[in-house]
Amino acid sequence: GQQVMQIPQYQHVQEGEDFTTYCNSSTTLSNIQWYKQRPGGHPVFLIQLVKSGEVKKQKRLTFQFGEAKKNSSLHITATQTTDVGTYFCAGPQGGKLIFGQGTELSVKP
Amino acid sequence: DAGITQSPRHKVTETGTPVTLRCHQTENHRYMYWYRQDPGHGLRLIHYSYGVKDTDKGEVSDGYSVSRSKTEDFLLTLESATSSQTSVYFCAIGQGREVETQYFGPGTRLLVL
Repeated sequence: GQQVMQIPQYQHVQEGEDFTTYCNSSTTLSNIQWYKQRPGGHPVFLIQLVKSGEVKKQKRLTFQFGEAKKNSSLHITATQTTDVGTYFCAGPQGGKLIFGQGTELSVKP
Repeated sequence: DAGITQSPRHKVTETGTPVTLRCHQTENHRYMYWYRQDPGHGLRLIHYSYGVKDTDKGEVSDGYSVSRSKTEDFLLTLESATSSQTSVYFCAIGQGREVETQYFGPGTRLLVL
């Protein structure tokens, strides 16, 4: 079945440093979704990418969808303490979402 | 946030006892999902429902059963809880179409002693 792999599992950064998490699927995706989960909270939808090579920005967050629609990345510029949490990518499969394992980001002030 | 509630929010139980978790939505979404979240494993799908009385298994369904008698309610039952079922359980809702996102409930923390 479809698998979605995400790296790294953990990332510790100093406030102000950049951060990137990578997502790879074993199959071509119709779209890729990104979610953020704050510590003690629940996953919250951030964005969806649909087109090959698509790039979307949300303030300091930049999301990319690969040309082959099998990989994606989330880049945060100049991290802030409010960015802490776990970031998940997810790809759809038959009415379900297959989630990556997530990247847990910690930010040291 | 979407109108999703889970109950109870926290539960401590003993091995061998039955446990039922409830998910309630006010959004009239067709699809409902139960996930468990454990360190290093992300979100793993237990069961999902694509309509009243229509359910299917996810990747970690052993030891769990579900029921959906109304659009708004999706129940997850652990027939005989084991320590390996200690986890955080999330309910989610969605329209089930490829381009649709999922909305998550606040979660239930379950500890099986």
